[in-house]
Amino acid sequence: SQQGEEDPQALSIQEGENATMNCSYKTSINNLQWYRQNSGRGLVHLILIRSNEREKHSGRLRVTLDTSKKSSSLLITASRAADTASYFCATFSGGYNKLIFGAGTRLAVHP
Amino acid sequence: DAGVIQSPRHEVTEMGQEVTLRCKPISGHNSLFWYRQTMMRGLELLIYFNNNVPIDDSGMPEDRFSAKMPNASFSTLKIQPSEPRDSAVYFCASSLAQEGTQYFGPGTRLLVL
Repeated sequence: SQQGEEDPQALSIQEGENATMNCSYKTSINNLQWYRQNSGRGLVHLILIRSNEREKHSGRLRVTLDTSKKSSSLLITASRAADTASYFCATFSGGYNKLIFGAGTRLAVHP
Repeated sequence: DAGVIQSPRHEVTEMGQEVTLRCKPISGHNSLFWYRQTMMRGLELLIYFNNNVPIDDSGMPEDRFSAKMPNASFSTLKIQPSEPRDSAVYFCASSLAQEGTQYFGPGTRLLVL
C-alpha cells in the first residue's frame, strides 16, 4: 500500500478561498515534500519539511507536520485560478530509502 | 541552468518496436530518477541512480525495461519490445541527494499502438 495518501482526492473552490489538502502516511519519515503538477507538465517542488519541524511557510503556502498522527497538511491561502493543479505529497523514510508519492489531490480554483 | 532535459517529448511507436528515452540531469546533481505516470497507477518510481550507479530497480516492470547512466550527465530508459500497456508519461528527475528536493523534467509522452 502507498506510504502517502492525500485527502481529498478532488477539491473545487472559488478564487480567494483557502484550500487545504491533507496527507497521511504509515511509517516514520525523514522528511515530507509537497509537489504541484499542472496538466501535461512535470512536477514542481513546493516545500520540504523535516521530521523535526512542525510548520513551514512559503508565500501563500503553509505546511504543517504532525509526526504523532503521521499526517501533514498543505494550506493555500487566497487561492487563484493559476493554483489549479494536482498536488502530491511525498515521503522519504530510511526504511524505504526513496521518495514515495501519494496519488495526489486535484484542485480546481474557479474565477 | 536549463533544468532537467528529456527527449523526445512525444513518441508514437508500434508494438514490438524498441523505444529509447533520454534524460540530462541538472549539472551537479548526484541522484537521478525515472518515473512512469498513468491515470490508473499514478506516479511510479521505476529506478534511481546515485553517482551513476543503479541503487533500486525494484519498480522496473519487467525485463523489457532497462536503464543506464553511463556518465553524470546522461541517462537512458529503454523498452524493448514495447507493448501498448507501456503507454504513459515517463518523467526523469534529479536531485542533489536521494532524500532531497527532486527536479522533474517535462516528461516524454509515449504511445504504443
